Amino acid sequence: QKEVEQNSGPLSVPEGAIASLNCTYSDRGSQSFFWYRQYSGKSPELIMFIYSNGDKEDGRFTAQLNKASQYVSLLIRDSQPSDSATYLCAVRNRDRGSTLGRLYFGRGTQLTVWP
Amino acid sequence: EAQVTQNPRYLITVTGKKLTVTCSQNMNHEYMSWYRQDPGLGLRQIYYSMNVEVTDKGDVPEGYKVSRKEKRNFPLILESPSPNQTSLYFCASSLSGLADSTDTQYFGPGTRLTVL
Repeated sequence: QKEVEQNSGPLSVPEGAIASLNCTYSDRGSQSFFWYRQYSGKSPELIMFIYSNGDKEDGRFTAQLNKASQYVSLLIRDSQPSDSATYLCAVRNRDRGSTLGRLYFGRGTQLTVWP
Repeated sequence: EAQVTQNPRYLITVTGKKLTVTCSQNMNHEYMSWYRQDPGLGLRQIYYSMNVEVTDKGDVPEGYKVSRKEKRNFPLILESPSPNQTSLYFCASSLSGLADSTDTQYFGPGTRLTVL
């Protein structure tokens, strides 16, 4: 079974702080990793993706991937109240015997940034 | 504007009354997928499609049907809805469904379905 685990939270941080969101995955063959943000009642929207070990930065967001530890994280610097949402970790795995991949989602971490 | 659209956005129905939720994308994407989202369970894939006439089951296909007669459309059919299908449904698409692709998946706005 291909599992993606996230701390469900809620995670609460003050405005301006760094929010750290973590995700682990079970399939060592996982190809690529995504972070989505989802506001209540809305659809998930892509924040970042990462394919290689190390860090990837985009504005206030940094994704970190460690394939040896099967761990991916998202750091949000200078957190704003508008960052308050549920953050979904998704992992793309190859279907056995196929060239196709499927996205497997964690259950999400709820983040609240208070002013 | 590149987008995935779903209709209806909200639907209240009764047990056993067949319904269809439409999904359409204007990005010429090969891969389309349906998910349901329930509190505490996250997003779970129902069905997916790699191209016209090619569909396959996801993790929770029971009680659902799909078809892909045209590349842009991927309707979700509930032949005999039951209360346990009350959920928030999302359609999604990506350029390809290949495992080693760098494609991202784009989601529709969601359909909130209540089955009484």
